[in-house]
Amino acid sequence: AAGVIQSPRHLIKEKRETATLKCYPIPRHDTVYWYQQGPGQDPQFLISFYEKMQSDKGSIPDRFSAQQFSDYHSELNMSSLELGDSALYFCASSLGPRGYNEQFFGPGTRLTVL
Amino acid sequence: QKEVEQNSGPLSVPEGAIASLNCTYSDRGSQSFFWYRQYSGKSPELIMFIYSNGDKEDGRFTAQLNKASQYVSLLIRDSQPSDSATYLCAVKYNQGGKLIFGQGTELSVKP
Repeated sequence: AAGVIQSPRHLIKEKRETATLKCYPIPRHDTVYWYQQGPGQDPQFLISFYEKMQSDKGSIPDRFSAQQFSDYHSELNMSSLELGDSALYFCASSLGPRGYNEQFFGPGTRLTVL
Repeated sequence: QKEVEQNSGPLSVPEGAIASLNCTYSDRGSQSFFWYRQYSGKSPELIMFIYSNGDKEDGRFTAQLNKASQYVSLLIRDSQPSDSATYLCAVKYNQGGKLIFGQGTELSVKP
């Protein structure tokens, strides 16, 4: 079965650079979530989209922005990168945002900021 | 205090034993509850979800939910070394659908 696709899988950037992470949800899934997981930490919710509209916002820095496109893929744009942004970034998708819908995670993008 | 609490472990059980993982949550408005398994450096893998009080079984896994006590657990029967991983408990709210995770319990199954 098709899974969530994320690209790139690994990304190395310098401080103050920008990065763009992409997420392609499972076919027919219309809801996308972004999570950040630092070393030894649990995943922290950043932002979510349902039917191309932002549906919820968590602890996402103002330097980050995201959007969902007409084909339901999503991009997370990160500017003025800081050392503390180094983490695993996961995208997850579900069929609708309601509480009973399962949420499946992509393989993640490992971002390293030097 | 975190919204979702888990014993961080590590929890060590012998192969073939039952592993019991526990989770408590603070918000009575929580709608549904998910258990994910995560191997080091990999993404969370959905094991089970539950939203009604009682037990839900799927193969070697049983999830138990007690909303009055705000408690959810995962039992793994006939534990295998391949079950060694971090188990994340997550609660989901109907509004928006975001997951709030516990800090995870590290499980080690010894051959």
